[in-house]
Amino acid sequence: QVQLVQSGAEIKKPGSSVKVSCKASGGTFSSYTINWVRQAPGQGLEWMGRIIPILGLTNYAQKFQGRVTITADKSTSTAYMELSNLRSEDTAVYYCARESLEGTTTYYFDYWGQGTLVTVSS
Amino acid sequence: QSVLTQPPSVSGAPGQRVTISCTGSSSNIGAGYDVHWYQQLPGTAPKLLIYGNSNRPSGVPDRFSGSKSGTSASLAITGLQAEDEADYYCQSYDSRLSGSGVFGTGTKVTVL
Repeated sequence: QVQLVQSGAEIKKPGSSVKVSCKASGGTFSSYTINWVRQAPGQGLEWMGRIIPILGLTNYAQKFQGRVTITADKSTSTAYMELSNLRSEDTAVYYCARESLEGTTTYYFDYWGQGTLVTVSS
Repeated sequence: QSVLTQPPSVSGAPGQRVTISCTGSSSNIGAGYDVHWYQQLPGTAPKLLIYGNSNRPSGVPDRFSGSKSGTSASLAITGLQAEDEADYYCQSYDSRLSGSGVFGTGTKVTVL
């Protein structure tokens, strides 16, 4: 059974950066693709980007290009999402999710982390 | 902002059937890309409910069903139960947003 466990809540100042981790267990981490999705308070889900750890390839949503960096450490089965130049609008719960293509032609997210609340406040 | 539009809310009495629409365009659902659905209970992470338009992962009750036609998709809940009260999101792919996942705007289901 795949499990994704994320790091704890963070409080950050505007202009700073935050790095959230997502540790995977069960299955083969290198064969995963890990995505990051965020949800502002009372709002919907917003896709941020993804990484294919075995290839080190990343894709980012245009909205976050230049501000987000997604990395992965295969030795610890951990993915990271770093968001820089934080502003109050970045206050949200950040989720990691494993991507799957099984039984479909368009990827979906079959396992999710528990979420990490990032609060940006002066 | 999202390219997939859902009604903000739907409601129904216990035992009734409700449907949630997910309307896209020719660059996403209409282009043949599959649609997936997630259920998000209050204060929890989203959970995969339907994948590949109409497939249920193991453990998802058959009260939940999905379909797709043209530029839209739908999620139906039959025999509505109190524990179905949650937010529901559709998700697909859009060819204009290469490499991006796109989510619907979300629908709050209320059990009366």
